[in-house]
Amino acid sequence: EVQLLESGGNLVQPGGSLRLSCTASGFTSDFPFSSFAMSWVRQAPGRELEWVSSLNGRGARTFYADSVRGRFTISRDNTENTLYLHMTSLRAADTGVYYCARTGEGVHYSRWFPNWFEPWGQGTLVTVSS
Amino acid sequence: QSALTQPASVSGSPGQSITISCTGSNSDIGDSDFVSWYQQHPGKAPKLLLYGVRERPSRDSDRFSGSKSGNTASLTISGLRAEDEADYYCCSFSSKSTSVFGTGTKVTVL
Repeated sequence: EVQLLESGGNLVQPGGSLRLSCTASGFTSDFPFSSFAMSWVRQAPGRELEWVSSLNGRGARTFYADSVRGRFTISRDNTENTLYLHMTSLRAADTGVYYCARTGEGVHYSRWFPNWFEPWGQGTLVTVSS
Repeated sequence: QSALTQPASVSGSPGQSITISCTGSNSDIGDSDFVSWYQQHPGKAPKLLLYGVRERPSRDSDRFSGSKSGNTASLTISGLRAEDEADYYCCSFSSKSTSVFGTGTKVTVL
């Protein structure tokens, strides 16, 4: 059973930076961590889910929501089965629980997109406030 | 891009069937069959229920079914149970923003 565990959430001041980690376990040798795309999805307090970023299995292709492009960087270390999200220039609007999720890949009109998210980690809370 | 539109709440009695709608536009739901649905209990992580409009990832989702017409996707829960009380979110491919979630629907079992 694939399990994901996020860490790194914290209270940070506006304009600050933070790096989230997501450690994965339960992947098999036939379908290793490196064979799956991964994503970050966040949820502001009392609000809906919001897709943040995804990257493919090798980490060569990355995708970002307009709200975070240029400020956030997604990456992965397949030797450590770990996904990262490096967040800079943080704003109050970035406050929320950040989930990592294994991601099914889709292609539509030659455009890559995350097709589904499962499983999800338990989430890590990021609070941006002075 | 704005979130897909879902009703804020839907309720039903045990054993009944309920349907949750998810309305988008020609740039997302109307543009493909890549709609997924998620269940989220309070304080918990979301769980995938359906993908590709109507495909079930596991037998656990047998009471959940999906459909789509034009710019609107729907999730139907059959044989409503107390454990189905949760928030439900749709998600779709978007040509404008890659992926977009719905506003969420709170299901109450009366």
